[in-house]
Amino acid sequence: GENVEQHPSTLSVQEGDSAVIKCTYSDSASNYFPWYKQELGKRPQLIIDIRSNVGEKKDQRIAVTLNKTAKHFSLHITETQPEDSAVYFCAAHPSGTYKYIFGTGTRLKVLA
Amino acid sequence: DTEVTQTPKHLVMGMTNKKSLKCEQHMGHRAMYWYKQKAKKPPELMFVYSYEKLSINESVPSRFSPECPNSSLLNLHLHALQPEDSALYLCASSPLSGGGETQYFGPGTRLLVL
Repeated sequence: GENVEQHPSTLSVQEGDSAVIKCTYSDSASNYFPWYKQELGKRPQLIIDIRSNVGEKKDQRIAVTLNKTAKHFSLHITETQPEDSAVYFCAAHPSGTYKYIFGTGTRLKVLA
Repeated sequence: DTEVTQTPKHLVMGMTNKKSLKCEQHMGHRAMYWYKQKAKKPPELMFVYSYEKLSINESVPSRFSPECPNSSLLNLHLHALQPEDSALYLCASSPLSGGGETQYFGPGTRLLVL
């Protein structure tokens, strides 16, 4: 069935270092891949997304890459700051459905 | 207005109570969603409405009853809940314009069932 695997489940980095979170999806009909940041007690907030006709997208310190052949997509955060500490969820949206299949989440801790 | 709003923010209810959660968006989105989120877990889809019609029910127990009175409003009626139903309930909406679409989440209602 539809599935998104996300790794690692927890990630600790020093402030200023980079962080990479990886996701793998199973449904080849997926054509939209959002990334959400969720701080404790808050809503999931969209931070970046990518569509299947694009291989990479960047927004300041955040970038996402997509490899459709391998069904992999990754989130890259550079120059991490303590306020980047949160849980990050990837998701995949299969074309023609209303569903967004979420990964299991990565708890990112940026150490000052 | 690019927000999804939800009320109440917090709700405590007994197992015999009836309560309702409310969600509102004024972005003209035609798909609205209810999710349940337990601590340290991803959002779990419960219901999807598209064009005010129920499109997906993810085998949710009948003690949860969704309602979409119009294109801007979504309710979730709760009755005879169990303590394990305690969770953060998130509403979301998306445009339904075709193709991959951004889904916007409301702030959630934190529900505690005693």
